[in-house]
Amino acid sequence: EADIYQTPRYLVIGTGKKITLECSQTMGHDKMYWYQQDPGMELHLIHYSYGVNSTEKGDLSSESTVSRIRTEHFPLTLESARPSHTSQYLCASTRLAGGPNEQFFGPGTRLTVL
Amino acid sequence: DQQVKQNSPSLSVQEGRISILNCDYTNSMFDYFLWYKKYPAEGPTFLISISSIKDKNEDGRFTVFLNKSAKHLSLHIVPSQPGDSAVYFCAASPNTDKLIFGTGTRLQVFP
Repeated sequence: EADIYQTPRYLVIGTGKKITLECSQTMGHDKMYWYQQDPGMELHLIHYSYGVNSTEKGDLSSESTVSRIRTEHFPLTLESARPSHTSQYLCASTRLAGGPNEQFFGPGTRLTVL
Repeated sequence: DQQVKQNSPSLSVQEGRISILNCDYTNSMFDYFLWYKKYPAEGPTFLISISSIKDKNEDGRFTVFLNKSAKHLSLHIVPSQPGDSAVYFCAASPNTDKLIFGTGTRLQVFP
């Protein structure tokens, strides 16, 4: 069973605040991902990591940043939140091996910026 | 330009009948296709995948069909159950790094 956790599940915050969305997995997966999704839209990849000290930007430009200091932890930070950042943020992980790249997802964080 | 398309935003099916969810893609270099299921306020859950060298994969009530010449795949759920009501995402893998998702189809299974 996949074990990937995200906190907080819901966050309502004012414009200009700094926020960090937490993501942790206990499966020892090397690859981790952050997606952004709005209702009725596809999941957009905003960041990914191959392993410790590796971070890459995804296909959708994002003002957020990520870090990967430990294999199990992949936090996402917004230095100054804006209403345009309102969205659902989904974290995922997978093994490095080849195959269908089945990704395991966390429950997501619903962010609302007022 | 969207590489993975799910043109039906919603589908309503009676319990016990077959649900057919469709997905089209544009890139012939995709090597795997996956289906995910998503309930509200939860993350997507992997359902089933298919390699581009196959044309069918079956797992219990779920079967995925791939038509490479038409660049089309479909997910069949038989028989449909109320617990299948969710949003279904089609995804394609161009390599081992990423997945490209469609916009999803909301399936409602009614009694």
